[in-house]
Amino acid sequence: SQTIHQWPATLVQPVGSPLSLECTVEGTSNPNLYWYRQAAGRGLQLLFYSVGIGQISSEVPQNLSASRPQDRQFILSSKKLLLSDSGFYLCAWNNDFFGPGTRLTVL
Amino acid sequence: EDQVTQSPEALRLQEGESSSLNCSYTVSGLRGLFWYRQDPGKGPEFLFTLYSAGEEKEKERLKATLTKKESFLHITAPKPEDSATYLCGGKLIFGQGTELSVKP
Repeated sequence: SQTIHQWPATLVQPVGSPLSLECTVEGTSNPNLYWYRQAAGRGLQLLFYSVGIGQISSEVPQNLSASRPQDRQFILSSKKLLLSDSGFYLCAWNNDFFGPGTRLTVL
Repeated sequence: EDQVTQSPEALRLQEGESSSLNCSYTVSGLRGLFWYRQDPGKGPEFLFTLYSAGEEKEKERLKATLTKKESFLHITAPKPEDSATYLCGGKLIFGQGTELSVKP
């Protein structure tokens, strides 16, 4: 069965600090992977999706970036965090299965 | 502009009191309307995907239907464990969700 791991589970970072969130998938190969953000009081917002290694599509302009160095690994990064980057970050596989999420608070 | 709107924002029901959640959408090239259940602090859990108007899918006390402009999630005789936020949308855009609370 498929499993999605995300870490860390929670993160508190100061404004201007870098960010790296990791998502790994088990039990499948060549998955379509997605990064979503869920801010307080708002719905899911698609940030990036990837159909394969090195292939990244961005849905919204922002100071975040994504990379897919391996088939089952998807990384979300930022060089300098903003207050508005706070939220619940979710990795998803094929829109059928979501990971447990990372709660990011930027202070 | 693509948009997904869910109503009501919050719904309180007594156990056994059936009701429906609404998801209205204007999304060009929609390839599937998804419904998810989300418990606090957790990732969404997949419930249904509907692809064409008239399609219906059921799972336990939940039944999802789809028209050309909206989808409904019908909850029959809900139980307290059905309490959660229910999200709908396509792959690229989702509504804000309906927070359902079922009291015993």
